[in-house]
Amino acid sequence: EAAVTQSPRSKVAVTGGKVTLSCHQTNNHDYMYWYRQDTGHGLRLIHYSYVADSTEKGDIPDGYKASRPSQENFSLILELASLSQTAVYFCASSDRQGANTLYFGAGTRLSVL
Amino acid sequence: TQTVSQSDAHVTVFEGDSVELRCNYSYGGSIYLSWYIQHHGHGLQFLLKYYSGNPVVQGVNGFEAEFSKSDSSFHLRKASVHWSDSAVYFCAVRANSAGNKLTFGIGTRVLVRP
Repeated sequence: EAAVTQSPRSKVAVTGGKVTLSCHQTNNHDYMYWYRQDTGHGLRLIHYSYVADSTEKGDIPDGYKASRPSQENFSLILELASLSQTAVYFCASSDRQGANTLYFGAGTRLSVL
Repeated sequence: TQTVSQSDAHVTVFEGDSVELRCNYSYGGSIYLSWYIQHHGHGLQFLLKYYSGNPVVQGVNGFEAEFSKSDSSFHLRKASVHWSDSAVYFCAVRANSAGNKLTFGIGTRVLVRP
């Protein structure tokens, strides 16, 4: 009954290729987020969205695009994957802006070779 | 710029021991503090939060945290750890003055030995 589901759970991509990470939530939350996790950096916010068909830049948006086609779905797109984008990516949702309680997916481990 | 500092990258304790994980932040204004836990191979799960009122807040599974404005800290504690508490713990801070975005610390990895 996972409320935030990410797919795929892991992926190997080639440098310069396109990668799409998907996220689906059943929490009925307006806000969705994409974070990346790297050793020594904790979680850093890439993009977020508070309504369908609209996305906002987070702290490290360069090299990433996001798409929110519906309240339930939020995708992260790497148009030209690079080695530096090897990381674990987490999707999360919350019910409102500024909510302290985020609900996270299990993560996607991306390796760019 | 708001910052969150978790000074201990790794902590090893024995089952039944107490543990304290430190979190310090730097910025002013209204702040919201929280802790998350991440078990290996899983996403983060919310543990507890503080905004105002009693500086000691209780969370799930026996965890508690204490806010100190004078020390700019929000340390997490547990009186008696269990092997299942082995995980990475993240402190997170949100400030109205910083766009209401949640900023995470780098995490503290806790290993509980039998």
